Amino acid sequence: QQQVKQSPQSLIVQKGGIPIINCAYENTAFDYFPWYQQFPGKGPALLIAIRPDVSEKKEGRFTISFNKSAKQFSLHIMDSQPGDSATYFCAASGGGGNNRKLIWGLGTSLAVNP
Amino acid sequence: EPEVTQTPSHQVTQMGQEVILRCVPISNHLYFYWYRQILGQKVEFLVSFYNNEISEKSEIFDDQFSVERPDGSNFTLKIRSTKLEDSAMYFCASSVFGPGQGNQPQHFGDGTRLSIL
Repeated sequence: QQQVKQSPQSLIVQKGGIPIINCAYENTAFDYFPWYQQFPGKGPALLIAIRPDVSEKKEGRFTISFNKSAKQFSLHIMDSQPGDSATYFCAASGGGGNNRKLIWGLGTSLAVNP
Repeated sequence: EPEVTQTPSHQVTQMGQEVILRCVPISNHLYFYWYRQILGQKVEFLVSFYNNEISEKSEIFDDQFSVERPDGSNFTLKIRSTKLEDSAMYFCASSVFGPGQGNQPQHFGDGTRLSIL
């Protein structure tokens, strides 16, 4: 119930491609779904987040698609660049009260080839 | 841009010793967290802290762990008697929180790598 399942584990694309990373959850009480980007030796950095009242959110080249009925959400990176090579994590939180903890996916290692 | 800072970046400790990991959250943030990431595994929630008390903790956060906000700027995680399995990256995070504002973005530090020998 508390899990967030992320796929694929790793992904290689060519520069300009559109990598897509998928996540699925079970807990219908989740109401906040962020994506984080992590470079080696650094902490996770918030990229973009969505709440379940919208089906899509765009920030620059990053887009989250959200399917509430399927309990799935995905990250699309438009016009990917070698500098986007990093590990990407989806997460979820919610459940009311003071429940703010993030439940994390396992991460996707993305390599963008020049 | 304000950021969460963590010290030290790497801590090596003998098994059974006490260790204190330090964090300076973003100054106007009110909600603080510790997470850990064992090498190759997912990030795991340890504890959240608000208004000078623990708001929520996971089953990992047992009696060997404690958190403290000793002054207006620092937030610490103490492990009283370290075990080999405590070896991990420990991340501190902070967020703005207010009544009825729901979830707020959590901002992370760069972590402390804890190595237990």
